[in-house]
Amino acid sequence: NAGVTQTPKFRVLKTGQSMTLLCAQDMNHEYMYWYRQDPGMGLRLIHYSVGEGTTAKGEVPDGYNVSRLKKQNFLLGLESAAPSQTSVYFCASSYSPRGRISGANVLTFGAGSRLTVL
Amino acid sequence: AQSVTQLGSHVSVSEGALVLLRCNYSSSVPPYLFWYVQYPNQGLQLLLKYTSAATLVKGINGFEAEFKKSETSFHLTKPSAHMSDAAEYFCAVSPKSSGDKLTFGTGTRLAVRP
Repeated sequence: NAGVTQTPKFRVLKTGQSMTLLCAQDMNHEYMYWYRQDPGMGLRLIHYSVGEGTTAKGEVPDGYNVSRLKKQNFLLGLESAAPSQTSVYFCASSYSPRGRISGANVLTFGAGSRLTVL
Repeated sequence: AQSVTQLGSHVSVSEGALVLLRCNYSSSVPPYLFWYVQYPNQGLQLLLKYTSAATLVKGINGFEAEFKKSETSFHLTKPSAHMSDAAEYFCAVSPKSSGDKLTFGTGTRLAVRP
């Protein structure tokens, strides 16, 4: 029972490089999220998806793109990395019965991906 | 926009002492409220949540929280701290019918002294 798996766990980039973080969940959850965690700032929502083929912006979307081509996967891309994107990135998913938007569902988080941009 | 404020970025207690972590929310209507815990080098996991069924909510590992509308608070307590409680704790808010988009507080790191 893997839950939410993030790859890679660690990555070091140079400014201007691109990369993709992969999130995979095996719980058949509809909703998926990408958060970033920075010291003293808690977790901030970057992008989220309410189903396969859909994505939406969160609180801090600039500099990131996402895709949800398959229900179980949610990719976070950085096209041109900047030092300000040095952070720990968390993927999460939640189950919400189709047609009912709750707000009370529990998020299951991955273990995080630590990204350093030099 | 909704928000939560966690008072105290660091809290230190002795083993066996009361744990009190404070959280106040800002919302025009009572939202859903959550406490998540993060152990070192791990993702977040749910401690407890308030969804308007009962104002006193019991969670895992002996933690509980009380929703107080008049004070817009949702403080987390545990009667007796254990060394294994050392972690970072996040309060989070979700408006009803939001699609589970949580807004997190800045976190409180709990240290437990032997």
